[in-house]
Amino acid sequence: NAGVTQTPKFQVLKTGQSMTLQCAQDMNHNSMYWYRQDPGMGLRLIYYSASEGTTDKGEVPNGYNVSRLNKREFSLRLESAAPSQTSVYFCASSSGQQNEKLFFGSGTQLSVL
Amino acid sequence: RKEVEQDPGPFNVPEGATVAFNCTYSNSASQSFFWYRQDCRKEPKLLMSVYSSGNEDGRFTAQLNRASQYISLLIRDSKLSDSATYLCVVGDNYGQNFVFGPGTRLSVLP
Repeated sequence: NAGVTQTPKFQVLKTGQSMTLQCAQDMNHNSMYWYRQDPGMGLRLIYYSASEGTTDKGEVPNGYNVSRLNKREFSLRLESAAPSQTSVYFCASSSGQQNEKLFFGSGTQLSVL
Repeated sequence: RKEVEQDPGPFNVPEGATVAFNCTYSNSASQSFFWYRQDCRKEPKLLMSVYSSGNEDGRFTAQLNRASQYISLLIRDSKLSDSATYLCVVGDNYGQNFVFGPGTRLSVLP
């Protein structure tokens, strides 16, 4: 049982380049999330999707776009990467029911030069 | 004021010690509460959910005080393997909005 699979694990970009982070879950979860984690700041929500076909902004959405391709997959796109987007990115999923926990992917270490 | 605040840490304790972490949250409508553990450069993993009546899992005890909007985690008989960052997480009534505290780092020393 793979859980939440996130790719790539590492990526280095130059300022202005674009890329897409992929995330898939095999737990039939309704809700999926993208977080970024910076030193001393904890995890901050970028975007989330409560169900297939819906997406909503989180705390720090600027510079990002997302696509909920189907129930399993939720991708995060950086159209024009900036050094401020250097961070560790985590995808997560949840059943969407009250008191249900989050399951995380293994993370993507992104550096923008 | 941050939505979820935790002890700043780090906590450096000897093996066998008892250590307590504190967490406060600002949204009185919050309905679900968790402690996650995060090892260096790894994803957060659920340590335990926190229930209103308090709950225990081996050496770990979690308490919730809704009136004070306060959550605690007690670790007894600390092991070297307990060294990690502990994240307090608070969820809303719909199971969709999770807010993370900044984490408290624990180092258990031999």
